[in-house]
Amino acid sequence: DAGITQSPRHKVTETGTPVTLRCHQTENHRYMYWYRQDPGHGLRLIHYSYGVKDTDKGEVSDGYSVSRSKTEDFLLTLESATSSQTSVYFCAISPAAGYNEQFFGPGTRLTVL
Amino acid sequence: ILNVEQSPQSLHVQEGDSTNFTCSFPSSNFYALHWYRWETAKSPEALFVMTLNGDEKKKGRISATLNTKEGYSYLYIKGSQPEDSATYLCAYISNFGNEKLTFGTGTRLTIIP
Repeated sequence: DAGITQSPRHKVTETGTPVTLRCHQTENHRYMYWYRQDPGHGLRLIHYSYGVKDTDKGEVSDGYSVSRSKTEDFLLTLESATSSQTSVYFCAISPAAGYNEQFFGPGTRLTVL
Repeated sequence: ILNVEQSPQSLHVQEGDSTNFTCSFPSSNFYALHWYRWETAKSPEALFVMTLNGDEKKKGRISATLNTKEGYSYLYIKGSQPEDSATYLCAYISNFGNEKLTFGTGTRLTIIP
């Protein structure tokens, strides 16, 4: 299995509070991705990174920010959590874009009350 | 927003029977197509990465074909087993932004013993 972990695995928070999710990899892969999974929508890309300090938006980036200060860590921040951000969040890594498969982390279940 | 559709949404198949399902995607600006298998309570795992029109890939009893000119891919499972029960996701990559995957909503396969 690819060395990819997410923390926390579960979190319950209140509307308006900031939340940071962490993705950590030991594979030294260049690309890291954050997805959310919602019923009826499948996996949707929030943000991704193609290197240290290099990030770009996905299709559902509003309300989220990311940072990547080290190759191994990719942080997803909800500046002010809303109930619509209740979801399961998956991190994925890949050595290169497009032709390479992505390896997924175990997921973080976030509930915003 | 790229339109990636999978059909059927769900499928029940008797153990031992063979089955197939479809992923439809834009036929223009094709770069690659990924197939992932997602078991309940686990993370998605890559099955195939397909890049060329006419590609056929096989892994054990699972195979996939690709038609980029008409914009579809088929996934086949031969002699279904209970362990094949999972959601099967396809993900399309466009020439415009070959770092991003757009996932379909998946086909949920249940094998009936």
